[in-house]
Amino acid sequence: NAGVTQTPKFRILKIGQSMTLQCTQDMNHNYMYWYRQDPGMGLKLIYYSVGAGITDKGEVPNGYNVSRSTTEDFPLRLELAAPSQTSVYFCASSYSFQQGDQPQHFGDGTRLSIL
Amino acid sequence: GQNIDQPTEMTATEGAIVQINCTYQTSGFNGLFWYQQHAGEAPTFLSYNVLDGLEEKGRFSSFLSRSKGYSYLLLKELQMKDSASYLCAVRAYTGGFKTIFGAGTRLFVKA
Repeated sequence: NAGVTQTPKFRILKIGQSMTLQCTQDMNHNYMYWYRQDPGMGLKLIYYSVGAGITDKGEVPNGYNVSRSTTEDFPLRLELAAPSQTSVYFCASSYSFQQGDQPQHFGDGTRLSIL
Repeated sequence: GQNIDQPTEMTATEGAIVQINCTYQTSGFNGLFWYQQHAGEAPTFLSYNVLDGLEEKGRFSSFLSRSKGYSYLLLKELQMKDSASYLCAVRAYTGGFKTIFGAGTRLFVKA
């Protein structure tokens, strides 16, 4: 039972490069999320998706893009990497419905450094 | 907007009881979660409260008062492995359902 799988686990980028962080889940969850976590800080929501074809901005969306073409996959794209985007990125998924919420399941994270 | 406050750090002794508080301000409140996060690892779910009162789960309990915008996580019989960050997260409806995380409380358990 894989849960939420993120790739890569580590990456170093140069300023101005682009890359895609991959996230896939096998739990048939409708909601998926991308967070960033800076050292000693909490999780900041970048983007989230309530289902295939639907995405919305979180607290800190600038510099990122997402897409949700399938229920399973929710990639995060950095177009022009900047040093401020050095962080640990977590993807999560949950089954959410209007009357309640199940907890989020997190991937192991991607540690991204931009130099 | 939403605001979540937790103490930054706490220290407690092995075998003791510790209470980690979380206060929040939000409209459209729809539930509160507690997650545990060990250093270098992903957060894992601990508890969920949507109604007022206490939810007990083994050594961990969580309390919610919606009228006061207040929750706490109670850890009993502390073990060294409980040293971790504890994240309070609030789910709210603001034109769509969103879950916002607090900065977390880093708990150090000493022998």
